[in-house]
Amino acid sequence: QKEVEQNSGPLSVPEGAIASLNCTYSDRGSQSFFWYRQYSGKSPELIMFIYSNGDKEDGRFTAQLNKASQYVSLLIRDSQPSDSATYLCAVRYNFNKFYFGSGTKLNVKP
Amino acid sequence: KAGVTQTPRYLIKTRGQQVTLSCSPISGHRSVSWYQQTPGQGLQFLFEYFSETQRNKGNFPGRFSGRQFSNSRSEMNVSTLELGDSALYLCASRPDRANTGELFFGEGSRLTVL
Repeated sequence: QKEVEQNSGPLSVPEGAIASLNCTYSDRGSQSFFWYRQYSGKSPELIMFIYSNGDKEDGRFTAQLNKASQYVSLLIRDSQPSDSATYLCAVRYNFNKFYFGSGTKLNVKP
Repeated sequence: KAGVTQTPRYLIKTRGQQVTLSCSPISGHRSVSWYQQTPGQGLQFLFEYFSETQRNKGNFPGRFSGRQFSNSRSEMNVSTLELGDSALYLCASRPDRANTGELFFGEGSRLTVL
């Protein structure tokens, strides 16, 4: 069983702070890694994806991947109340088989 | 461009019944996958179809089945419903050559089993 682990939270940060979300995965054969955001009552939407070791930045979001440690993280800079949501880490294996973590709930307090 | 459409959005069934959920992917997307989302287990992969063929299958019992039609629309069926099948069932479609691996999710079908 391929596992993706996330701290369920909630993670509370003040507005303007950096939110750090973490995810570990069990299978070294993992090909690519994704962060989805899910607002309450809504469906998940893609925020970022990363394939290679290192950092990938997109606006206020930075994804970090360390394949040796089987660890992927998402940093949200200048957190806003609108960032309050559940963040799902997903790992893709062959074809379109994705494994999701249970998600980390983020609360950004004004 | 229309998004992924799932029907019905909400439904209530009793134990032992069966249910069929429908998913229409984004136009041009031939890959359709299904996920079960529960508070305790998160998003769990059920199966994935591409051009009417099941390409991948998750670790769910045989009561869970699916199919895809020539127009890429997909259905999933759950027979002999159990209380534990209560969940949000999400369908996602994906373009054939997406380098991002992005899944486009529908709003889901919320199933309650009494």
